[in-house]
Amino acid sequence: EAGVAQSPRYKIIEKRQSVAFWCNPISGHATLYWYQQILGQGPKLLIQFQNNGVVDDSQLPKDRFSAERLKGVDSTLKIQPAKLEDSAVYLCASSAIGPSYEQYFGPGTRLTVT
Amino acid sequence: GIQVEQSPPDLILQEGANSTLRCNFSDSVNNLQWFHQNPWGQLINLFYIPSGTKQNGRLSATTVATERYSLLYISSSQTTDSGVYFCAVYTGGFKTIFGAGTRLFVKA
Repeated sequence: EAGVAQSPRYKIIEKRQSVAFWCNPISGHATLYWYQQILGQGPKLLIQFQNNGVVDDSQLPKDRFSAERLKGVDSTLKIQPAKLEDSAVYLCASSAIGPSYEQYFGPGTRLTVT
Repeated sequence: GIQVEQSPPDLILQEGANSTLRCNFSDSVNNLQWFHQNPWGQLINLFYIPSGTKQNGRLSATTVATERYSLLYISSSQTTDSGVYFCAVYTGGFKTIFGAGTRLFVKA
């Protein structure tokens, strides 16, 4: 069974530029999560989708971050414009139905904003 | 909101030693997972353990939900066990909270 796929693996941009990350969850998983992990910290949940609807985005900085999950399968997370403090690893995870079920993580995208 | 505390924050072991990592949480949980983040940043599932005890090879975990803690045991540690160990809890309301992690280094 294929795991959670993410791309790109690495990205370097200048501040004020825009960037997009892509995630494809495990086949059949209804719930998809985006996390931000700053160096030395645990992952922080940014947004959670159930199928193609948002069920929680309370920690998403909506003035610059946006995410969508068209057709309830893959998802994109966008940052526009990027700030230096956005430098982090962006992790995508999926689970069968909701967070009470086991979550599986992709390899992450390491973003550096200069 | 719920607080998740992991201890110790850092741990250095000699290869072959045993260790216990702890995760305390401040409210009742519906789900608890332990992960190992390897040096390449990949989060690897170790245990899905909202309650009870599970074992997988040299690793085992116990969650005592009524007392709001979970323990991860590593026996006969190996250098490949190095990395960061996270616990993550879900309490309902669509919130998953990670602890700050325990950084483990196993010396050869």
